[in-house]
Amino acid sequence: EVQLLESGGGTVQPGGSLRLSCAASGFTFDTSAISWVRQAPGKGLEWISAINSRGTTYYAGSVKGRFTISRDNSKSTVDLQVNSLTAEDTGFYYCAKEGGHSGVYWVDSWGQGTLVTVSS
Amino acid sequence: SNELTQALSMSVALGQTATITCGTDNIGSKEVHWYQQRAGQAPVLVIYRDSSRPSGIPDRFAGSNSGNTATLTITRVEAGDEADYYCQLWDRRWMFGGGTKLTVL
Repeated sequence: EVQLLESGGGTVQPGGSLRLSCAASGFTFDTSAISWVRQAPGKGLEWISAINSRGTTYYAGSVKGRFTISRDNSKSTVDLQVNSLTAEDTGFYYCAKEGGHSGVYWVDSWGQGTLVTVSS
Repeated sequence: SNELTQALSMSVALGQTATITCGTDNIGSKEVHWYQQRAGQAPVLVIYRDSSRPSGIPDRFAGSNSGNTATLTITRVEAGDEADYYCQLWDRRWMFGGGTKLTVL
């Protein structure tokens, strides 16, 4: 069974930083691409970052330059370093295992999410 | 258009059929995926590649995609189907629809 367990969320002041982590199990981690998708309170889903099996990284424009995604295949973890946080970054952050290939991608498994609250 | 348009909300009577749409120019040329998100829970994939169902998803859920509209159809709607439903596709970037809140009467 695929399991994705996020951690690292919390309350931080504007301008602050957090390191979110996703611990994966139940699938071949080192050949899988992982995304982070966030959801502001009462709002829809927003893809923000991904890392493929080769370690190539991708970012949404809204977070580029502030967020950094990385992976450790030896630990089956993906981290998201989030810096320079603003109130607009508040929400649940979901770790998501990607399905598909060659220009067709979807999320086939989701974690339960970790809540980031940016507030003074 | 490069946005995926979904109705904000819809309601359906218990046992009836719900039809949830997702629209953008020529969406039929892309492969669309659908997620269900019950209140307070993480999303769950219910349809991928327009019409395929992951294991464990009942055959009451069906998808189609043509022209400018992709459709998620839920037949014999149950109380547990009450949720937000999001469409998604990848077109050089990840795109999600704004979500449709399905209320079961």
